[in-house]
Formats: sequence, structure tokens, C-alpha cells
Amino acid sequence: RKEVEQDPGPFNVPEGATVVFNCTYSNSASQSFFWYRQDCRKEPKLLMSVYSSGNEDGRFTAQLNRASQYISLLIRDSKLSDSATYLCVVIGTGGFKTIFGAGTRLFVKA
Amino acid sequence: DVKVTQSSRYLVKRTGEKVFLECVQDMDHENMFWYRQDPGLGLRLIYFSYDVKMKEKGDIPEGYSVSREKKERFSLILESASTNQTSMYLCASSSRKGNYGYTFGSGTRLTVV
Repeated sequence: RKEVEQDPGPFNVPEGATVVFNCTYSNSASQSFFWYRQDCRKEPKLLMSVYSSGNEDGRFTAQLNRASQYISLLIRDSKLSDSATYLCVVIGTGGFKTIFGAGTRLFVKA
Repeated sequence: DVKVTQSSRYLVKRTGEKVFLECVQDMDHENMFWYRQDPGLGLRLIYFSYDVKMKEKGDIPEGYSVSREKKERFSLILESASTNQTSMYLCASSSRKGNYGYTFGSGTRLTVV
């Protein structure tokens, strides 16, 4: 089993759709969780940190379920500019082991 | 704006050459990392460093070495470049304070011919 697993994708959705990306992790001692966005031929950029209480930033909502070792990213009202690869990132205790998911590609079409 | 700067955006080298990839961060981060990213394989950790003059092997260190003589600079060295080292190389840094989130450089696309 991979340490971090994401939906394989790609996701093809129309503008205005709601999309949910899922990610599971195997190490219950993991400490920090993030979603990164990576555009084609660019570096990954931090999109959101993920907390147990959940957090929201505009059209984006991230959730963490420690009991199920699962995080999610919800995008509401998808825009063409949301087209990118979304990476789930899990960091171990003390920041000493970082695992990147393989990424889920999103295509938003007009 | 905080930054991780990689010295070259695109690089073409010949097989057998020694190649230096430089990375500088201005955030006073303790941790620095070198990854390579290839289609279908995702991000793979080559080497990392938690302090000056300290280095640890990542998942795929073979054919690479690193140097961290100053806190802000982390260099990746390809001792004798080979065609299978053609890839996108990404440097990142993070702090041991806070939540350890990474900041990436813009990447170096290396082609070995």
C-alpha cells in the first residue's frame, strides 16, 4: 500500500461543477497536511493547509479526518483557471518525512 | 515575497559532464530538499538537508551528491551526467517552526544529450 494515495484522475468537469479530491495516508502519526497545486511545467505551490477543524478559502474547502486517515479538497463553482494537478502532501512528526501523493489532474472545460 | 531561487530554468549538458544545480532561499529555513519530477512517477526525493553541512539520502540518491556550506544554499551535483538524469529538478525549503509547509523553486529542466 502506498503511504499516500490520491484519486488517480484525471477529472474532466464543466465550468461551475463541484469537484472533490480524496487522499488517504497510512501513517497515523502524520502531523501536517497540505494541498498543493501544480500547473503544467511549473513548480507546486501551496494551496491550503488542512486542519482537523476543516478550513475554507473562497471556493476551496479542505477537510482532515484523522480517525479515517483521510483528507479531502472540495472546489465549488469550478473555473477554467482551476485546471491543474492537485497534490496531497503529508508530513510526519517533527517535519522529518514528507510524502507527496502522485497528484490528480483536473480539467475544467467551458 | 519569500523565495526559493534555482540558478537555471533550462539546462542542456552532455553525457559524462559534471553538472551543478544551485538553489538559494531567503527565508532562513533550516530544511532544504532536492526532488526530481518525471511524468507518471511524481516527485521523488534525491537528497535533503536539515542543517548546514548536513545531508541525508532520499529515495533515489544514486548518481547525485549535494553540498550545503551555507544555510541559504543547497547545491545538487551530478557527478557524471547520464541521459536517464534528464528530468525536471525541483528545490524546496521548509522551516522547522510552524507547520513545515514547503516552498518550491521554479525548477530546472535538465536535458542530458
